Amino acid sequence: DTAVSQTPKYLVTQMGNDKSIKCEQNLGHDTMYWYKQDSKKFLKIMFSYNNKELIINETVPNRFSPKSPDKAHLNLHINSLELGDSAVYFCASSPFAGNYGYTFGSGTRLTVV
Amino acid sequence: GENVEQHPSTLSVQEGDSAVIKCTYSDSASNYFPWYKQELGKGPQLIIDIRSNVGEKKDQRIAVTLNKTAKHFSLHITETQPEDSAVYFCAASSNTGFQKLVFGTGTRLLVSP
Repeated sequence: DTAVSQTPKYLVTQMGNDKSIKCEQNLGHDTMYWYKQDSKKFLKIMFSYNNKELIINETVPNRFSPKSPDKAHLNLHINSLELGDSAVYFCASSPFAGNYGYTFGSGTRLTVV
Repeated sequence: GENVEQHPSTLSVQEGDSAVIKCTYSDSASNYFPWYKQELGKGPQLIIDIRSNVGEKKDQRIAVTLNKTAKHFSLHITETQPEDSAVYFCAASSNTGFQKLVFGTGTRLLVSP
């Protein structure tokens, strides 16, 4: 009964490949997010969806494409992976697109070699 | 946009001592300030939050204070225990537009027995 689940937990891939990370939440929340945590632990927002609609799109290379088939799912597809994409990617959700605490998933550690 | 600074970056205390982590924010429209605890290999977990209409909030051994005039807020942990060892993040967001939590740079807390 995990609240926010991400798969896979670890992803090792070669430069130039395309990969996807999946996220699902069973909390009934309307809003979902993708955050990137770099090697220095800095957490930076990438995207946010509210009820399947993109509402936040930070300065992220267009190789990253989020997709939300329904409000319980937010997937992240990355094309032409680069070494600098290596990081931990966290999915999160919140009840509404307002000031509420987020519930984070356990993260996907992406290593590009 | 919002910018959140967090200090110190590392904090070592003896079990039973108190620990204080401080954050400052730049956007005077920010009105929601959560704190997250991240244990090794896990996602950040919300431990306490405060809204701008409140100056202080306490939950057992943890408390948060907010000074809107100075634009800073602090996390206080009393009677620290080894299981408090983790990375702690402060964050801020405003109701202007869609919510976007902006995180501080994190504080690694080490509690020695």
